Amino acid sequence: TQLLEQSPQFLSIQEGENLTVYCNSSSVFSSLQWYRQEPGEGPVLLVTVVTGGEVKKLKRLTFQFGDARKDSSLHITAAQPGDTGLYLCAGVNNNDMRFGAGTRLTVKP
Amino acid sequence: KAGVTQTPRYLIKTRGQQVTLSCSPISGHRSVSWYQQTPGQGLQFLFEYFSETQRNKGNFPGRFSGRQFSNSRSEMNVSTLELGDSALYLCASSLAPRGITDTQYFGPGTRLTVL
Repeated sequence: TQLLEQSPQFLSIQEGENLTVYCNSSSVFSSLQWYRQEPGEGPVLLVTVVTGGEVKKLKRLTFQFGDARKDSSLHITAAQPGDTGLYLCAGVNNNDMRFGAGTRLTVKP
Repeated sequence: KAGVTQTPRYLIKTRGQQVTLSCSPISGHRSVSWYQQTPGQGLQFLFEYFSETQRNKGNFPGRFSGRQFSNSRSEMNVSTLELGDSALYLCASSLAPRGITDTQYFGPGTRLTVL
């Protein structure tokens, strides 16, 4: 059983569409990180959210940390083929961090 | 500055053999963490080394071991390979120990296939 549940597991959309992926847990985290991993590469950190209710924007990507610091969402506006990849969330707590299994996003041109 | 490097990138072994993977962290980084990534289980934490000491260990059998050298380079060893050990093995380096909010930089991974 994953400590962090990510949904959906797979998502295939057309270029220009909007999407939201979710990262949920029953545990409280001191911070939560989102990574993107492209084929043949390691994950790359996109953002770290620390405060409950925090919203961070990175160009077309909007990250939100839940008020209770147990969940997070990633919203992508007007998706592009370059957004294709595996999106991973990681919860940090008590000098430990755990990863979700990821959402594999495919954006078709 | 140079990123995290892992060697080899690809490896094919047979059951029962052992394997050693290498990770060179970003210069100045003292923490190296190892992860196993599979489609079914996602990214699973193996262990972390900080200043040559194992700081944390995940829930893996004793066949998985590691070490860190004085120059922060790290190796992980898997003995008596099983089919289920086929995975992408990632290492990540950071300035601070893992779990303290800090950026981890991942290498490209070593793809291990066990036949």
